[in-house]
Amino acid sequence: QVQLVQSGAEVKKPGASVKVSCKASGYTFTSYYIHWVRQAPGQGLEWMGIINARGGSTDYAQRFQGRVTMTRDTSTSTVYMDLGSLRSEDTAVYYCARDPLGYSGNYFDYWGQGTLVTVSS
Amino acid sequence: DIQMTQSPSSLSASVGDRVTITCRASQNINSYLNWYQQMPGQAPNLLIYAASTLQSGVPSRFSGSGSGTDFTLTISSLQPEDFATYYCQQSHSSPRTFGQGTKVEIK
Repeated sequence: QVQLVQSGAEVKKPGASVKVSCKASGYTFTSYYIHWVRQAPGQGLEWMGIINARGGSTDYAQRFQGRVTMTRDTSTSTVYMDLGSLRSEDTAVYYCARDPLGYSGNYFDYWGQGTLVTVSS
Repeated sequence: DIQMTQSPSSLSASVGDRVTITCRASQNINSYLNWYQQMPGQAPNLLIYAASTLQSGVPSRFSGSGSGTDFTLTISSLQPEDFATYYCQQSHSSPRTFGQGTKVEIK
């Protein structure tokens, strides 16, 4: 069965970086795209970006440009999301989600369990 | 960016009720609209994609309609497990954007 398993909770200080992993199983990793979506406490969902698991190309939301990097390791079927220059407003649950299309009309059919990142001095 | 506006932000309903949630896009998104359900403390779950296509395994009491800028999610007969928060999301263009959510509570 399809599974996306994320790394555990993190506590970081302002200005630091965090790297969250998302390990895929149960499907052909390189045939899909992975998105990252975050959710601040008590708030809605915010899209951060997408990575093509086959070629590694990315598209980031403009508000995260320069701070976020998404990469993948096809040998371990794992995608990584690295967010730098952390501030308190980055405290959120970060989700990875699978996308079978990667273009207009796409959707997120499987999600990871979420990773809580807390930014606090 | 395309803004997605849901209404209402919350609603109270009883088991068996018909529930309708609306989502409006700030520009034409054709039928590139998805709906997700999120239970407290859990990841979102895809209900409907392409405005009206039911995701595999989702009960048939859920349905979606609309195109252009106005969309609707309908639950034909609310069940106890449907009390959750629902989000619409446009997949027309980047950045993908979500509505603010509609919380469905027990009356």
